[in-house]
Amino acid sequence: ETGVTQTPRHLVMGMTNKKSLKCEQHLGHNAMYWYKQSAKKPLELMFVYNFKEQTENNSVPSRFSPECPNSSHLFLHLHTLQPEDSALYLCASSQDPTVTDTQYFGPGTRLTVL
Amino acid sequence: AQSVTQLDSHVSVSEGTPVLLRCNYSSSYSPSLFWYVQHPNKGLQLLLKYTSAATLVKGINGFEAEFKKSETSFHLTKPSAHMSDAAEYFCVVSDRNNDMRFGAGTRLTVKP
Repeated sequence: ETGVTQTPRHLVMGMTNKKSLKCEQHLGHNAMYWYKQSAKKPLELMFVYNFKEQTENNSVPSRFSPECPNSSHLFLHLHTLQPEDSALYLCASSQDPTVTDTQYFGPGTRLTVL
Repeated sequence: AQSVTQLDSHVSVSEGTPVLLRCNYSSSYSPSLFWYVQHPNKGLQLLLKYTSAATLVKGINGFEAEFKKSETSFHLTKPSAHMSDAAEYFCVVSDRNNDMRFGAGTRLTVKP
């Protein structure tokens, strides 16, 4: 256990559905991240939050909408997704979003868009 | 811009033999370098990291990596592979805040 939990672990949704992914960290960290892991591609950083403020949006389509109500919780709201959005979505946290800081990852949510 | 290349997409070794997973990086600054491991259906776990201190870095589970600036490399090694080492390994470079670049991954298979 890394201290970062994600729910649900698996999600199947249609292209017109709205769903949310949840991430919670129990490490007292200040920074949280969303990554997308697709088959045969490197991990892609999607969003970064530091002290609840979004500090990075890596040109992610608006059908992905993050929310960070506090430093321990991070959500990813999904709507009108495309089949190519099917992937493993990983949440991570770190003490600070600095060059040397270690990120701790959750187990991921396996998303399938039909 | 920073980037990282993992030279092998798949490495297969026999149990008890050495492991070498190769990683080359590109960075305009003094980077931090990491190796993460991902077991099936699990998140990524940090094996070790280099942050401008000793160039030979020791990590968990007997792994180590050496930072070689002249070769822009950060290869991961282990003297003797164990069956439980079978997993996907990611080399990561970071030279600015909010930005970690992951390699495509190397899948390690360990044969009995």
